[in-house]
Amino acid sequence: DTEVTQTPKHLVMGMTNKKSLKCEQHMGHRAMYWYKQKAKKPPELMFVYSYEKLSINESVPSRFSPECPNSSLLNLHLHALQPEDSALYLCASSQEGVYEQYFGPGTRLTVT
Amino acid sequence: GEDVEQSLFLSVREGDSSVINCTYTDSSSTYLYWYKQEPGAGLQLLTYIFSNMDMKQDQRLTVLLNKKDKHLSLRIADTQTGDSAIYFCAETPNTGKLIFGQGTTLQVKP
Repeated sequence: DTEVTQTPKHLVMGMTNKKSLKCEQHMGHRAMYWYKQKAKKPPELMFVYSYEKLSINESVPSRFSPECPNSSLLNLHLHALQPEDSALYLCASSQEGVYEQYFGPGTRLTVT
Repeated sequence: GEDVEQSLFLSVREGDSSVINCTYTDSSSTYLYWYKQEPGAGLQLLTYIFSNMDMKQDQRLTVLLNKKDKHLSLRIADTQTGDSAIYFCAETPNTGKLIFGQGTTLQVKP
């Protein structure tokens, strides 16, 4: 099973809302990632978790708050977002130390 | 530095072969990857090649690696309309990150 699942598929939120994106994998991977992708552009790395600890934060604004409750789950908490944060948010996972990353289908976020 | 370059667009006729090219800069990259992204979907890992290999074949896909020129290519034989997508190559320098190219949009005409 090489599946990474993400919920919700679509999300529309106002600039004062608080919402969360969820990601789950059952491949036993110990590294999990959040990416942001704008239309027709490559994904941009936001955060990396390794063994449930945050290992990379690519200078992401604090209105994005990641959380890794256990080795299978990854959340991204959103608060006070801006319209320019509208994008496809992708989750990925991989074995630790191996860079073969498996991506979920993404959450299409629209900030109004 | 880390930089991956691809041409932005390729158009082929159904049944022809497609060749998507990529150049990268970091010679420390251990693996090089090809991902496919269909409209509205996530990235699908198509194939990858280890840096000590020259070629890898997987059904209709052939990956060629020229390590001296830091050039990677993906050949799709007998291209079908279902192959229409954006193709990203990616390198893995020793930073724990995937470095993506800008993506090549493959258009397959019937």
